[in-house]
Amino acid sequence: DGGITQSPKYLFRKEGQNVTLSCEQNLNHDAMYWYRQDPGQGLRLIYYSQIVNDFQKGDIAEGYSVSREKKESFPLTVTSAQKNPTAFYLCASSTTENYNSPLHFGNGTRLTVT
Amino acid sequence: AQKVTQAQTEISVVEKEDVTLDCVYETRDTTYYLFWYKQPPSGELVFLIRRNSFDEQNEISGRYSWNFQKSTSSFNFTITASQVVDSAVYFCALSEAGVNRDDKIIFGKGTRLHILP
Repeated sequence: DGGITQSPKYLFRKEGQNVTLSCEQNLNHDAMYWYRQDPGQGLRLIYYSQIVNDFQKGDIAEGYSVSREKKESFPLTVTSAQKNPTAFYLCASSTTENYNSPLHFGNGTRLTVT
Repeated sequence: AQKVTQAQTEISVVEKEDVTLDCVYETRDTTYYLFWYKQPPSGELVFLIRRNSFDEQNEISGRYSWNFQKSTSSFNFTITASQVVDSAVYFCALSEAGVNRDDKIIFGKGTRLHILP
């Protein structure tokens, strides 16, 4: 079955450490996205990529980095510069490079930094 | 700039009651798309519906219906005869499609719906 796989489901890190969240899709989608979800805040866009080897900052990119070396993969690194990294992270993809196509989401990764 | 407001943070209704989730949006674009997503406790957002700005017809899908009114910039979602399985967080979202678009999908903060047995 086609879909988006995020791993791991739960991730624990010590403050000051970088951590990378995995996102893989086999839907052959061009566009991929990372969102952060905090209680009462909805979904906020971190980074998005419309094509391999290209990506753009979203609304809250500070303290995060991404890469898009393969169409199927869009890993997100939460760096030590991110002041409040504890959150639920959602990866998504869509079929076109504009924003009219529905997003397909993964199951998310819950990151806890202590 | 585009904005989506879901004023209802949390709603609780008894099973079999009807419930309406409100969504009000702001955009400078004349061409745009509106979406609703459902997020069950498992965490994955599930797409429910997409509506473009030129199609104001209401839509019904089983127990779900959507009322799009450009005059009030609203895209409300009604669940008829609610069931416990409808318990989830529901998100309304907006994407602009015109030449002045921001190239982003903006989500509301979500409405947490509790269906009580």
